[in-house]
Amino acid sequence: DIQMTQSPSSLSASVGDRVTITCRASQSLSSYLNWYQQKPGKAPNLVIFVASRLQSGVPSRFSGSGSGTDFTLTINGLQPEDFATYFCQQSYSAPYTFGQGTRLEIK
Amino acid sequence: QVQLHQWGAGLVRPSETLSLTCAVSGGSFIGYSYSWIRQSPGKGLEWIGDVDQTGSSTYNPSLESRVTISVDTSKSQFSLRLSSVTAADTAFYYCARVVRNWSNGPKWFDPWGQGTLVTVSS
Repeated sequence: DIQMTQSPSSLSASVGDRVTITCRASQSLSSYLNWYQQKPGKAPNLVIFVASRLQSGVPSRFSGSGSGTDFTLTINGLQPEDFATYFCQQSYSAPYTFGQGTRLEIK
Repeated sequence: QVQLHQWGAGLVRPSETLSLTCAVSGGSFIGYSYSWIRQSPGKGLEWIGDVDQTGSSTYNPSLESRVTISVDTSKSQFSLRLSSVTAADTAFYYCARVVRNWSNGPKWFDPWGQGTLVTVSS
């Protein structure tokens, strides 16, 4: 199985900050990497697909980059509704695996 | 707007079979595959398996001996059965649509169902 490692596990930031979350895969994924946002008590919601493509309806302050084994999710100008947990997920090969999550908290 | 709504028993006894169903509404059921994913504090998010409209399924090897995912295209529904459950199967279970731009290309899960907490306990 492909192992997905996110860093940091948790992050404190303020409204208006720029934050970056990293996801590293145990083998090359090309660009087969997706990002999800999950709020407490809710299902995950797609934010970025194929490493850098913004899902429809997601604010443009979210962006993704990377290829191969290293990927980043960046949020420019944090808004109150962005405080949540973020997961990366690889679709390069089954079984499709997720990172352990990064909890973004208000400072 | 496509929506997935899921239902099933929230309490299952050890050694019995977990059963969940997911209905797709608001968009075409055809042309997509569908997945089940679970989330527990101990194991995080875990992909269980996919099914396409022909009924062909792919499972996570860690669960393959106990899992069946089936599809009913006439009802725009798909289902999960997990047999011989133990406490380790206690988790939130989610259904999701699998989206991909081309065959064998990258894919992603969108949207997801609302989730069902399944507790395995006697």
